[in-house]
Amino acid sequence: KAGVTQTPRYLIKTRGQQVTLSCSPISGHRSVSWYQQTPGQGLQFLFEYFSETQRNKGNFPGRFSGRQFSNSRSEMNVSTLELGDSALYLCASSLGYRGDTDTQYFGPGTRLTVL
Amino acid sequence: AQKVTQAQTEISVVEKEDVTLDCVYETRDTTYYLFWYKQPPSGELVFLIRRNSFDEQNEISGRYSWNFQKSTSSFNFTITASQVVDSAVYFCALSDLVTPGGYQKVTFGTGTKLQVIP
Repeated sequence: KAGVTQTPRYLIKTRGQQVTLSCSPISGHRSVSWYQQTPGQGLQFLFEYFSETQRNKGNFPGRFSGRQFSNSRSEMNVSTLELGDSALYLCASSLGYRGDTDTQYFGPGTRLTVL
Repeated sequence: AQKVTQAQTEISVVEKEDVTLDCVYETRDTTYYLFWYKQPPSGELVFLIRRNSFDEQNEISGRYSWNFQKSTSSFNFTITASQVVDSAVYFCALSDLVTPGGYQKVTFGTGTKLQVIP
């Protein structure tokens, strides 16, 4: 069974640009969660999508948005990039939403560098 | 406000030793979840356990065990007979209940880097 895939793995953008990251969950999984990891702020929860609906979100500005498609693939978008958005973005998939006892499976992450 | 403290920044043990990673949390919520994650040098997070605040039973999974004590707001993680493959950064996390469509408070600790020396 294929694991969680994230594309691209590495990305370099400049301030002010926007970026879209993609996450394909394990087949059959309906929940995708996104996390940001930076040296300064550590790990932070961005949002979770379940069955195409944003189920909940962390404390991030509106520049961070996402969506989930009918095949459960999810995209995360960051508009008007700032230097502080440079981070490793991780996604995780699970059968049910995180509020249940489902195990989360993480992808390898997308490393975004904003210059 | 939520807070998760992993006071041990780095720990080194010799292979086969037991090691305990501490996690102390603060929350005003009466119902919450606690998690442990492992991040090996490859960078990919690995989910280890999720514990509901209702359930204070300790849990054992192979060489891993978790001790949840609500009275001391701690959720410690013990690796028995450590192995080199256990070398990683371990994160403890606290989350309030999922509120559909709403904001969710999820707080991660700063992590404990475990090095297991052969």
